Amino acid sequence: QSVLTQPPSASGTPGQRVTISCSGSSSNIGRHYVSWYQQLPGTAPKLLIYRDSQRPSGVPDRFSGSKSGTSASLAISGLRSEDEADYFCAAWDGSLTGREVFGGGTKLTVL
Amino acid sequence: QVQLQESGPGLVKPSQTLSLTCTVSGDSFNSGPYRWSWIRQLPGKGLEWIGYIYNNGSTYYNPSLKSRLSMSVDTSKNQFSLRLTSVTAADTAVYHCARGRHAADHYYDNSGAVIDIFLYYFDSWSQGTLVTVSS
Repeated sequence: QSVLTQPPSASGTPGQRVTISCSGSSSNIGRHYVSWYQQLPGTAPKLLIYRDSQRPSGVPDRFSGSKSGTSASLAISGLRSEDEADYFCAAWDGSLTGREVFGGGTKLTVL
Repeated sequence: QVQLQESGPGLVKPSQTLSLTCTVSGDSFNSGPYRWSWIRQLPGKGLEWIGYIYNNGSTYYNPSLKSRLSMSVDTSKNQFSLRLTSVTAADTAVYHCARGRHAADHYYDNSGAVIDIFLYYFDSWSQGTLVTVSS
């Protein structure tokens, strides 16, 4: 059972805007910064978003991140077939002695 | 462009020790205050953070694994390593090494207490290696 909660699946058609949610608590998302990762089939995870909403260089502006309270969201606009992948959220969790925690991942299908 | 590649046995017997090494290329191991990290992906489940090591050898481990875990670094070889003892089938996973970036912001709450906000993310990952624990 992952500390951060994501829907197991999401889907959309090409060109559509899709949002993936990530729910946590006051000890993780509610206090610390969120990052998002994309994992294409058979490849290493790739950083998409850090510091809640910042994109590394090279990540298209179709990808955006936001946070409100203890929940975060990843939005993908202008959906493309190559966006079909698993998406994970992550944040530091300050409960107990502290650790990085991840969501269970959301499988995005482009119909 | 930094690249990370893990190496080590793909099969470990129960109760034995899992050992993996991550070799970093394309960037100096000492070029920044990076947290050289290990993350595993359990079968059919999400990601689990294992811990990190700085290039000065300082470590921080996931509390749930701390009693069985140790990490080391060899800056002369641009490598860092993981050792997990007394493994069971529950340790079967794809193990990734990654470069971690970190920062901390601070603000004061209404009572004047300092509140820390941590930033920790992984900007480069290895492909991952499957380690199976089985007799």
